[in-house]
Amino acid sequence: GQSLEQPSEVTAVEGAIVQINCTYQTSGFYGLSWYQQHDGGAPTFLSYNALDGLEETGRFSSFLSRSDSYGYLLLQELQMKDSASYFCAVRVNNQGGKLIFGQGTELSVKP
Amino acid sequence: NAGVTQTPKFQVLKTGQSMTLQCAQDMNHNSMYWYRQDPGMGLRLIYYSASEGTTDKGEVPNGYNVSRLNKREFSLRLESAAPSQTSVYFCASSSGGSNQPQHFGDGTRLSIL
Repeated sequence: GQSLEQPSEVTAVEGAIVQINCTYQTSGFYGLSWYQQHDGGAPTFLSYNALDGLEETGRFSSFLSRSDSYGYLLLQELQMKDSASYFCAVRVNNQGGKLIFGQGTELSVKP
Repeated sequence: NAGVTQTPKFQVLKTGQSMTLQCAQDMNHNSMYWYRQDPGMGLRLIYYSASEGTTDKGEVPNGYNVSRLNKREFSLRLESAAPSQTSVYFCASSSGGSNQPQHFGDGTRLSIL
C-alpha cells in the first residue's frame, strides 16, 4: 500500500517558525512535493525535493531524507496569511507525474 | 491567464443520474489529472492522463470514466452517481517533467442526494 503521515493540526504565532513533518511509505519514489490550500480552494505548489537535502524558497524551505523516508516543510517568519492546509505528496512514477497526497496539516497562525 | 478551468463549479445530482465534469488547460501541458477531496482529507487521484491519447487509473477509479478529448481537455464522467461520490473534484495539469508542479483548477463541488 501507499501511505503518507503528517500531523493533522499545527498552531503557531505570527513571526514564529513552524515545521510540518511528513513520513512516507510508497511503492515508488521520485520526489516529495508540498502544496498549500486555502479554505478548500485550488491547491498551489510550494516546493519539490528529488534529492536529499534542503531547498529554500523565500520564507519556505523543504527538506528530504530518502534513507529515512522523511521530509519536512519549514515556514519562517509566519504571517497570518500562512494559515492554510499543507499537503505533502510523493511522486510515485516517472512518466506522467502521478502523485499520492498525505491527508494534510491545518496550520493556524495566531496573532 | 486562465490556467486550468473546470465546469461546472457546483452541481447537485440525484442518485443514479449521470454527469460529466469538464476540465480544460491553456498551458500546453502534456499531463492531466482528476482528484477528489473529501472533508478533512487529502486529494485522492481518480484517473490521470500522462499524455494525449493515454489514460491510467489512480487510487480510486471505481465508478468513474475519463476521456482525454485532446491535449487541452480531460473530462470525468459519473455514469450512475452514488451518495459516496459526494465530494470536491479537482482537475490539474502538468508538463510532466520530474520537477514540474501540478496546476489545479478551482474545483467542482458535487452533491449527490
